[in-house]
Amino acid sequence: QVQLVESGGGVVQPGRSLRLSCAASGFTFSRCALHWVRQAPGKGLEWVAIISFDGNNKFYADSVKGRFTISRDNSKNTLYLQMNSLRAEDTAVYYCAKAGSESPEYMDVWGKGTTVTVSS
Amino acid sequence: SYELTQAPSVSVSPGQTAMIACSGDALAKQYTYWYQQKPGQAPVLVIYKDRERPSGIPERFSGSTSGTTVTLTISGVQAGDEADYYCQSADSSVSQWVFGGGTKLTVL
Repeated sequence: QVQLVESGGGVVQPGRSLRLSCAASGFTFSRCALHWVRQAPGKGLEWVAIISFDGNNKFYADSVKGRFTISRDNSKNTLYLQMNSLRAEDTAVYYCAKAGSESPEYMDVWGKGTTVTVSS
Repeated sequence: SYELTQAPSVSVSPGQTAMIACSGDALAKQYTYWYQQKPGQAPVLVIYKDRERPSGIPERFSGSTSGTTVTLTISGVQAGDEADYYCQSADSSVSQWVFGGGTKLTVL
């Protein structure tokens, strides 16, 4: 079955960097766009970024533009999120999600998430 | 950017019908998607393209739209439906994806 497993979360100091990974299985990874979505403690969902199936198109939320970079390795069925210049407000559970089978407008399968805590 | 507005909470008794609304100017032109999130779990897609149900989602879940307001309706509510529900849309003109603030459904 379709599975997404995030990793790489942890505690990091403000201003430092962290790279998240999302290992995918159960579907043709190289044909699907992928999203990152985050959820701060006790808050709602916030879309972070999307990458096209071939990695050529990437879009970001204004809150992370210029600091975060989404990328993918289709040979490894893995999605990444490089997070630089981290701030306290980046503290959240980060989910990777597969774009919908009919459109990249939505997310039809989600991973269980990985927790990032930005604190000194 | 645009915003999607949801009521913070809705309460219903078991067996009744819950209606969860989401409003936003962009919804008149864009599809809306709905996700269910139970405590400590990842979100699950329950409605896509305003009113379509993914496989495995009970027929009790339905979506409708009227102008700039979309509604998720859950018929015959069960205790297991207690969760946070989020609407979501995408503004293709600026390549931004947006979630509503979420509605907590409480089953009394």
